[in-house]
Amino acid sequence: SQTIHQWPATLVQPVGSPLSLECTVEGTSNPNLYWYRQAAGRGLQLLFYSVGIGQISSEVPQNLSASRPQDRQFILSSKKLLLSDSGFYLCAWGSGTATYEQYFGPGTRLTVT
Amino acid sequence: DQQVKQNSPSLSVQEGRISILNCDYTNSMFDYFLWYKKYPAEGPTFLISISSIKDKNEDGRFTVFLNKSAKHLSLHIVPSQPGDSAVYFCAASHFGNEKLTFGTGTRLTIIP
Repeated sequence: SQTIHQWPATLVQPVGSPLSLECTVEGTSNPNLYWYRQAAGRGLQLLFYSVGIGQISSEVPQNLSASRPQDRQFILSSKKLLLSDSGFYLCAWGSGTATYEQYFGPGTRLTVT
Repeated sequence: DQQVKQNSPSLSVQEGRISILNCDYTNSMFDYFLWYKKYPAEGPTFLISISSIKDKNEDGRFTVFLNKSAKHLSLHIVPSQPGDSAVYFCAASHFGNEKLTFGTGTRLTIIP
């Protein structure tokens, strides 16, 4: 069966510090991968998605970037965090074939102070 | 432009009764719809989906209804249980699109 991992679970970082969040998927090959953010009291905002290694699509202009160095690894980064980057970050995978379902990881709570 | 709308931010239902969560969409290209359930500090979990070729899909206590002419879908939970208390998101997509468009969510509270 497929499993998706995210770490760390929680993170407190000062403004201006760098960020690296990692997501890995097990039990599937060539998944579509997604990064979402849920701000306090808000819905799910798609930040980036990837249909293959090195292929990244950005959905909103922002202070963040994403990379996919391996088939089942997706990384969310920032060189300098802003207060507005605080939120709950979710990684998801989808098969990208006959079904539309996406399956989410446990999330990372990021607080920028 | 919010293409998927959940106009009720919250809903309270007595345990054992039916919970009905609503979702409206504006993009007529959407042909696949999903419901997710989310507990605080956890990732959403997939609940149930429906293709536009159907108007109803049932899975245990959960039933999703689709009204294409009204661009409206609803999730029925019966009977409602305390563990159903969570935020519910509807989402939509269409053929050839790798992305899901999510609504803003409805917080369901089941009252014992």
